[in-house]
Amino acid sequence: DIQMTQSPSSLSASIGDRVTFTCRASQSISSNLNWYQQKPGKAPKLLIYAASTLQSGVPSRFSGSGSGTEFTLTISSLQPEDFATYYCQQSYNIPRTFTPRTFGQGTKVEI
Amino acid sequence: QVHLVESGGGVVQPGRSLRLSCAASGFLFSSYAMHWVRQAPGKGLEWVAVIWYDGSLKYYVDSVKGRFTISRDNSKNMLYLQMSSLRADDTGVYYCAREDLVGGYTWFDSWGQGTLVTVSS
Repeated sequence: DIQMTQSPSSLSASIGDRVTFTCRASQSISSNLNWYQQKPGKAPKLLIYAASTLQSGVPSRFSGSGSGTEFTLTISSLQPEDFATYYCQQSYNIPRTFTPRTFGQGTKVEI
Repeated sequence: QVHLVESGGGVVQPGRSLRLSCAASGFLFSSYAMHWVRQAPGKGLEWVAVIWYDGSLKYYVDSVKGRFTISRDNSKNMLYLQMSSLRADDTGVYYCAREDLVGGYTWFDSWGQGTLVTVSS
């Protein structure tokens, strides 16, 4: 299975900060990388799909980049509602083979 | 509006069985692959199982193979997860999720609110 590693596992930031975190895949996954935000007691929410496409309704301060094995999620100006845990997830598909979907371990953004 | 509602969670003894359900509405259920994803208390997300839109293919994470069975009833817009031989490490919140597919890329665009399964004696 493809392993996903996020860094850092947590970070402290202030309102207005630009924050960036990284997700690395154990093998190339092209652009088959998605980002989710999860707040305590809530279901995950899709932010970015296909590495860099912003999901409808998600603020433009969120952006994603990368391909192959290294990806980043950037929040350009941190807002109070952005304090949450962020997960990357790979959805690499090999023709006629299902690749188990795997998540990174998460990055918790704290004040 | 897409709506997914899980049910069936609860407290169960090790070795026993439990069936989770996920009621879908607001979209053409029979056109989408559906997944179960779980989250142990205080831990990250773990993909559990997928079923193809027509039920023809099913895949599982290694840790539940032979113990869990995913199924669906497209006539009722329902997704199920039959869990047997439950273990303490199966404890967690179980989410159903819809997988969207465009241009060869897939992602989980809709999630239920989750149902808590606690395996304990």
